[in-house]
Amino acid sequence: EAGVAQSPRYKIIEKRQSVAFWCNPISGHATLYWYQQILGQGPKLLIQFQNNGVVDDSQLPKDRFSAERLKGVDSTLKIQPAKLEDSAVYLCASSFKSDSYEQYFGPGTRLTVT
Amino acid sequence: GENVEQHPSTLSVQEGDSAVIKCTYSDSASNYFPWYKQELGKRPQLIIDIRSNVGEKKDQRIAVTLNKTAKHFSLHITETQPEDSAVYFCAASRGSSASKIIFGSGTRLSIRP
Repeated sequence: EAGVAQSPRYKIIEKRQSVAFWCNPISGHATLYWYQQILGQGPKLLIQFQNNGVVDDSQLPKDRFSAERLKGVDSTLKIQPAKLEDSAVYLCASSFKSDSYEQYFGPGTRLTVT
Repeated sequence: GENVEQHPSTLSVQEGDSAVIKCTYSDSASNYFPWYKQELGKRPQLIIDIRSNVGEKKDQRIAVTLNKTAKHFSLHITETQPEDSAVYFCAASRGSSASKIIFGSGTRLSIRP
């Protein structure tokens, strides 16, 4: 089966600029997650969708980050404006809605803010 | 809030020896505990998981133990091989697809030849 797709794989921007990331989950996966992984740390959940509804966005910096999952399939994560501390790998993951709990991760987008 | 602590942060073992990584969690409602392996520059991949209705699970050279009373769980890798070198993350969740998973900070495991 095809895995979770993300693009772009790498992005370099200057602070105060905007950036958007795209994720296409595994077909049929109702739950989609966006994580921020800073170098040397574990993934930190930013937002979790169940179909097109938000389940948890308690750790999303809403003054600058936004995410949407229109039609319950693809998702985009946007940062506007970016700060230096946003430099990280942004991982998208998806899982089935049923009793399977395993999350399948995409390859990630490495963001560098200069 | 929920928290998962993981240690050690780095671990170096001789090839063929065993490696043990330990985690503790704060949310007593957690009942699903996955372990992910992340090789350099790659995505995290699930290697083993355990649910709270069992105390131990084994898959070839990898085993996980869970002590719900003490709220800690451990990953055991026996007969380590060079390809085991990676960063390992533990995590805890309330165990439904709508539950968020809290990750530990990771353990960098190095296998010495």
